[in-house]
Amino acid sequence: AQKVTQAQTEISVVEKEDVTLDCVYETRDTTYYLFWYKQPPSGELVFLIRRNSFDEQNEISGRYSWNFQKSTSSFNFTITASQVVDSAVYFCALSEGIYSGAGSYQLTFGKGTKLSVIP
Amino acid sequence: KAGVTQTPRYLIKTRGQQVTLSCSPISGHRSVSWYQQTPGQGLQFLFEYFSETQRNKGNFPGRFSGRQFSNSRSEMNVSTLELGDSALYLCASSGGQSEAFFGQGTRLTVV
Repeated sequence: AQKVTQAQTEISVVEKEDVTLDCVYETRDTTYYLFWYKQPPSGELVFLIRRNSFDEQNEISGRYSWNFQKSTSSFNFTITASQVVDSAVYFCALSEGIYSGAGSYQLTFGKGTKLSVIP
Repeated sequence: KAGVTQTPRYLIKTRGQQVTLSCSPISGHRSVSWYQQTPGQGLQFLFEYFSETQRNKGNFPGRFSGRQFSNSRSEMNVSTLELGDSALYLCASSGGQSEAFFGQGTRLTVV
């Protein structure tokens, strides 16, 4: 069975600090997809990144970067020079199964990490 | 391109009633999935529809059901509402090689 663990329940940082959100996953499939979503107080889940199990390249998008390591089953998310607007709950999610490659997902979410960026 | 639209945004129902929630996916997306979010259980997968067929189902009682229409719009229904069904219900659409995009959700309160 698939499982996603986000051990950090809440994190507080001062603006401009860097912060890393941890995500550890469990799956028996060799083909799977990993996601990060941001949920601001409005409630909508905002897509941040999708990574498939065959692509271990790290990715950087502006102040955001992701480190995918299959050897440790981790997919960590780093925000550089955090800003107040980054305050939200961040979810890591996993989708496995034969349909995931065709854009058909059954997401298993972690419990989320609430990030508070203090000005 | 319009995003995923969920209606209504807020609902208050009485225990024992039934409720229907609606989700219009992004144009061209054929997969619609539903999730329940509660403070205690977090985000949990309810079911997924693809081309009008339920493809996957989560571990929820039969009171939770859904369907998808030929235009990919989806509805989910909860019968005999219980207080524990109070939650934010989120719908996601995806298709082809796209990511899963979520709507703003329907917040259901059962009193």
